[in-house]
Amino acid sequence: DTAVSQTPKYLVTQMGNDKSIKCEQNLGHDTMYWYKQDSKKFLKIMFSYNNKELIINETVPNRFSPKSPDKAHLNLHINSLELGDSAVYFCASSLLLAGGPGEQFFGPGTRLTVL
Amino acid sequence: GENVEQHPSTLSVQEGDSAVIKCTYSDSASNYFPWYKQELGKRPQLIIDIRSNVGEKKDQRIAVTLNKTAKHFSLHITETQPEDSAVYFCAASKVKSGGSNYKLTFGKGTLLTVNP
Repeated sequence: DTAVSQTPKYLVTQMGNDKSIKCEQNLGHDTMYWYKQDSKKFLKIMFSYNNKELIINETVPNRFSPKSPDKAHLNLHINSLELGDSAVYFCASSLLLAGGPGEQFFGPGTRLTVL
Repeated sequence: GENVEQHPSTLSVQEGDSAVIKCTYSDSASNYFPWYKQELGKRPQLIIDIRSNVGEKKDQRIAVTLNKTAKHFSLHITETQPEDSAVYFCAASKVKSGGSNYKLTFGKGTLLTVNP
């Protein structure tokens, strides 16, 4: 069973295009995230949703728009793609436990290449 | 906001040796410190974590220590094996009032190579 899944796995597109990445988790978690991992492997959080509500937006350009239709899904739409958007995008999910944050489970990643 | 520094950026050891990776954090309110392992082309996966009410935690060949006063924590891998080769990330987070608003701030990663 796939815990956190993302589609597509690879995305190659031209500058200026609009694209979407989809994420689904079947773990029953209440919190989902988007991370960007650049070419130097630096992992940086972009957004976090808890029960479909946006709770973290890390000064990401507003060309990036997340959307959570329900607790199990978090999609990322990117408008007017730029060369600097090329990266691996990871979705993750977790449960917020009584004692604090729980383990974050990552999806397989989507490698976005903007030409 | 939180800042996490991780050292070294690369580490090469012989099989069977120990490896130590160190991280420091800036926000004294941080209370959760996980370590993730990312193999080449794969997703990050949690290998061990520690909360601020504990000073040390061990799981087989892996251990993590936390010094809250100095605001640093370390990953120790003993008897390293070639399959330990990967990028290791430390992270820090805190739970804000209200409970749901927390985020992981990651270090920049350490590429560990275990030579057979």
